[in-house]
Amino acid sequence: DGGITQSPKYLFRKEGQNVTLSCEQNLNHDAMYWYRQDPGQGLRLIYYSQIVNDFQKGDIAEGYSVSREKKESFPLTVTSAQKNPTAFYLCASSRIGTFVENTGELFFGEGSRLTVL
Amino acid sequence: DQQVKQNSPSLSVQEGRISILNCDYTNSMFDYFLWYKKYPAEGPTFLISISSIKDKNEDGRFTVFLNKSAKHLSLHIVPSQPGDSAVYFCAASPLQGAQKLVFGQGTRLTINP
Repeated sequence: DGGITQSPKYLFRKEGQNVTLSCEQNLNHDAMYWYRQDPGQGLRLIYYSQIVNDFQKGDIAEGYSVSREKKESFPLTVTSAQKNPTAFYLCASSRIGTFVENTGELFFGEGSRLTVL
Repeated sequence: DQQVKQNSPSLSVQEGRISILNCDYTNSMFDYFLWYKKYPAEGPTFLISISSIKDKNEDGRFTVFLNKSAKHLSLHIVPSQPGDSAVYFCAASPLQGAQKLVFGQGTRLTINP
């Protein structure tokens, strides 16, 4: 089945440790994204990538890093510089192109809940 | 600066009645709008979208209305069913197919039997 796989689903880490969240897609989408969800704040964009070896900062990139070495993969590292890392992290992918058939829909993974103790 | 706002954090509706979820936006460059539905501990799933060239789009029990002059859109669910209980996010983008969606805070809809 085509889709997006995030792992792990739950993750506990001590303060000051870096953590990497995995995101893999087999939808052959060019674009991939990382969002963060906090209660009452909706989804906020951390980073996105439209092509391999290229990515752009979103609205809340500080304390995070990403890589896009393969089209299928877009891992997110939550570094010790992120002041409030406890959150629900969502990875998504989409087609690229402003053509009629492209609804602009993002396909989301099931999310990773990170808790920093 | 919240460019997309859902001012009602929660909404409770009786089964069979109409659910109306509202969304306001401030950026006049937004031209394309989407609604997503999210169950707990799952990723959001796409529900319905609308381009600014239309003022209404319908898909089964779901209809989205867009009032561009008021910078307001709404999602109507008729009739509401228990399975509709979820958090609903509206999202906006400057162009259909553009990648950077801006999401609202979400509205938790509860359908009561």
